[in-house]
Amino acid sequence: LAKTTQPISMDSYEGQEVNITCSHNNIATNDYITWYQQFPSQGPRFIIQGYKTKVTNEVASLFIPADRKSSTLSLPRVSLSDTAVYYCLVANHLTSNTGKLIFGQGTTLQVKP
Amino acid sequence: EAQVTQNPRYLITVTGKKLTVTCSQNMNHEYMSWYRQDPGLGLRQIYYSMNVEVTDKGDVPEGYKVSRKEKRNFPLILESPSPNQTSLYFCASSGVGQGHTGELFFGEGSRLTVL
Repeated sequence: LAKTTQPISMDSYEGQEVNITCSHNNIATNDYITWYQQFPSQGPRFIIQGYKTKVTNEVASLFIPADRKSSTLSLPRVSLSDTAVYYCLVANHLTSNTGKLIFGQGTTLQVKP
Repeated sequence: EAQVTQNPRYLITVTGKKLTVTCSQNMNHEYMSWYRQDPGLGLRQIYYSMNVEVTDKGDVPEGYKVSRKEKRNFPLILESPSPNQTSLYFCASSGVGQGHTGELFFGEGSRLTVL
């Protein structure tokens, strides 16, 4: 199982781009990288997922280098409402024997006015 | 609406009094799992189930039981709760296999306090 390491906390200001990096040195060939966002007193929710290179959706971008040992979640022009905890998860959901999941501690992003 | 529903959302109980936290999903997902969240420790997996009648331990299973008799339900049972099980609990479900991204759908959480 791939364990992940993220910064515990980050601060930013409204309108800035925020990059949160996750380290996952023992990622397996079939593992995908998924990021979740969690607001206080709510369950985490899916933001973005990728396998390699770059993925972009309406909320964020995910950059994955060729060796896949790390990934970077990029949030463009953050607002106060992006203040949350962000989790990186490395796992393979395409087979039937990969139910055990290890979330890291997450990164608490504080966006200031 | 696709959702994962947990009950109760809040519960205060006493040491040793058995309790069950229910979890139900309406997305026909094979995979379901339970997590506890404590300050500074992130999300830790308690148990998971790959399908009906198939369950297995996560990272912190001690003091918990689960069952998966139906596809949509995955209750978490605390036979004899202790104060160290005071925590915020989340249930999640996901589709498995081709056609699924593995995206986890989480419930809103159940805050449990054991006195």
